[in-house]
Amino acid sequence: QSVLTQPPSASGTPGQRVTISCSGSNPNIGSHTVNWYQQLPGTAPKLLIYGNSQRASGVPDRFSGSKSGTSASLAISGLQSEDEADYYCAAWDDSLNGWVFGGGTKLTVL
Amino acid sequence: QVQLVQSGAEVKKPGASVKVSCKASGYTFSVYGLHWVRQAPGQRPEWVGWINAGNGDTKYSQKFQGRVTITRDTSATTAYMELSSLRSEDTAVYYCARDRLVNLNYYFDYWGQGTLVTVPS
Repeated sequence: QSVLTQPPSASGTPGQRVTISCSGSNPNIGSHTVNWYQQLPGTAPKLLIYGNSQRASGVPDRFSGSKSGTSASLAISGLQSEDEADYYCAAWDDSLNGWVFGGGTKLTVL
Repeated sequence: QVQLVQSGAEVKKPGASVKVSCKASGYTFSVYGLHWVRQAPGQRPEWVGWINAGNGDTKYSQKFQGRVTITRDTSATTAYMELSSLRSEDTAVYYCARDRLVNLNYYFDYWGQGTLVTVPS
């Protein structure tokens, strides 16, 4: 059971907008900012969003992040085939005194 | 450009130890911390621990406390993660990742390519 909960899968057609949720609790998302990482098959995770909504260098503005209370969301607009990947949210957790990651969402572009 | 280059894949017997290295380049090594994150096949990433590359302070996940040791060699701009008493459940890709702090926001901005550690059951 992940401390941060994500839907296992999401999908959309090219050009569509998809949203991926990340649900946590007070010790993690409720108290700290959320980061999002994209992982293509067989590669290391890559930073997409930090501080809830700040895009990392070089990340297209099609990617956006938000946070409200103990939940966060990643939105991808103008979906492209190269967006097909696994997406993970992450936050510091005060109870565990360490970083925690969501279970990951596999995005399929139909 | 910032690069983190890790050592090669390892196969270890149960009960043995493994030491993975992470060679940093393209930035001032002692200014940034380094994290270690592992990812078992098909699983979410899992934080292992962190080292302050400047003064050597460390912080470990409660799950690995007592089994993991993270060190660094500033002259070699290299960090190391040693995990002992290996078991099959430790089979995973181990990544190093640079620690970044911007406007009170912490995150991992650069990652190594990963090192596969296999512990056959």
